[in-house]
Amino acid sequence: QKEVEQDPGPLSVPEGAIVSLNCTYSNSAFQYFMWYRQYSRKGPELLMYTYSSGNKEDGRFTAQVDKSSKYISLFIRDSQPSDSATYLCAMSASNAGGTSYGKLTFGQGTILTVHP
Amino acid sequence: EAEVAQSPRYKITEKSQAVAFWCDPISGHATLYWYRQILGQGPELLVQFQDESVVDDSQLPKDRFSAERLKGVDSTLKIQPAELGDSAMYLCASSLRGNSPLHFGNGTRLTVT
Repeated sequence: QKEVEQDPGPLSVPEGAIVSLNCTYSNSAFQYFMWYRQYSRKGPELLMYTYSSGNKEDGRFTAQVDKSSKYISLFIRDSQPSDSATYLCAMSASNAGGTSYGKLTFGQGTILTVHP
Repeated sequence: EAEVAQSPRYKITEKSQAVAFWCDPISGHATLYWYRQILGQGPELLVQFQDESVVDDSQLPKDRFSAERLKGVDSTLKIQPAELGDSAMYLCASSLRGNSPLHFGNGTRLTVT
């Protein structure tokens, strides 16, 4: 079983829809949680970076972390065709000092298409 | 905005040949990573450098892969000999410190024939 599980989709939604992307994980040492967006033939681009449980909002994007359930989510409001990409969740453990090791464990990515 | 530079963007090679990829991280970033991304999967860490020192190469196939960051700035990843299963995207990333968010380059797409 993989440490991080992510539904690969693909997910197709109409423009303006609310999109929900999710990941589950098994390693309770994960403390730092990230969402990356990856366009075709490009490298991953950091969207959201959160520490421990709770919500974080940035424009149309909201990240949620539920450590008790080992479950993280990314919500995209008012989705646009330009949001069409692969979305990768990633997470890292913390060291004894409480800071991230930096090494990321990724989900396999969800392919999202937003059609006009 | 500063970017992580990688070259070449694409590389086609025959199996058993040697290949090398180059990465120039964002200026001032002490931590550098090499990840491999197989089509349809998430990236997996191959090696992590802190300045010029390797801090994690547990997933690097050391019989054929090598990585160096001699002056603690740019880095080279080499495969010798290449195998068909090495076909993938090789991504370089850097961060200011080990506990800072990672910034990725656009990768090198390797095809081994």
